[in-house]
Amino acid sequence: LAKTTQPISMDSYEGQEVNITCSHNNIATNDYITWYQQFPSQGPRFIIQGYKTKVTNEVASLFIPADRKSSTLSLPRVSLSDTAVYYCLVGLNTGGFKTIFGAGTRLFVKA
Amino acid sequence: SAVISQKPSRDICQRGTSLTIQCQVDSQVTMMFWYRQQPGQSLTLIATANQGSEATYESGFVIDKFPISRPNLTFSTLTVSNMSPEDSSIYLCSAREGGVGPLHFGNGTRLTVT
Repeated sequence: LAKTTQPISMDSYEGQEVNITCSHNNIATNDYITWYQQFPSQGPRFIIQGYKTKVTNEVASLFIPADRKSSTLSLPRVSLSDTAVYYCLVGLNTGGFKTIFGAGTRLFVKA
Repeated sequence: SAVISQKPSRDICQRGTSLTIQCQVDSQVTMMFWYRQQPGQSLTLIATANQGSEATYESGFVIDKFPISRPNLTFSTLTVSNMSPEDSSIYLCSAREGGVGPLHFGNGTRLTVT
């Protein structure tokens, strides 16, 4: 399983764009990159997943460079409710694959 | 996406007793997992709950301490046996539907052992 490295914490202000970068130098050819969000007293929630280039959904964008050794989760115009822990995971996107969580990034959004 | 319900949502238990946590998914899922999360920490995978066979445990977790059942494709239980204060944690059930795709989580069971 590929090891991931993320900043421990980040601060931002409401309305700003937030970019959280995750390093995964030993990512394998078949690995996908997945991001989860976790609020206090809740289980993690899937945000976005990608394999290469750029993926965008209604919540976030995921940028993956050609070498795939890192990825950046981009949250546009954050609000106070985006304060949460964000986890970057790398691994096979198959039914039999067990998901191992890293330390995550604590994002604090201030008014 | 699958909706996962866990019971109880929280409990306070005495040392030496056991607690069984139930996890119900609103649709049939291929894979179910149990995680533990200490306050302020990341999630640690306890085991994969296999339907119709014994669970697959991660290093540091054993069946005698954390017996798991999975009688069908929508339900699983995790028992925390012979509890000690060190078992105080949040226990989370998760599932992957359709054989591929991301994990879905319940809101967890907050266990306090006194």
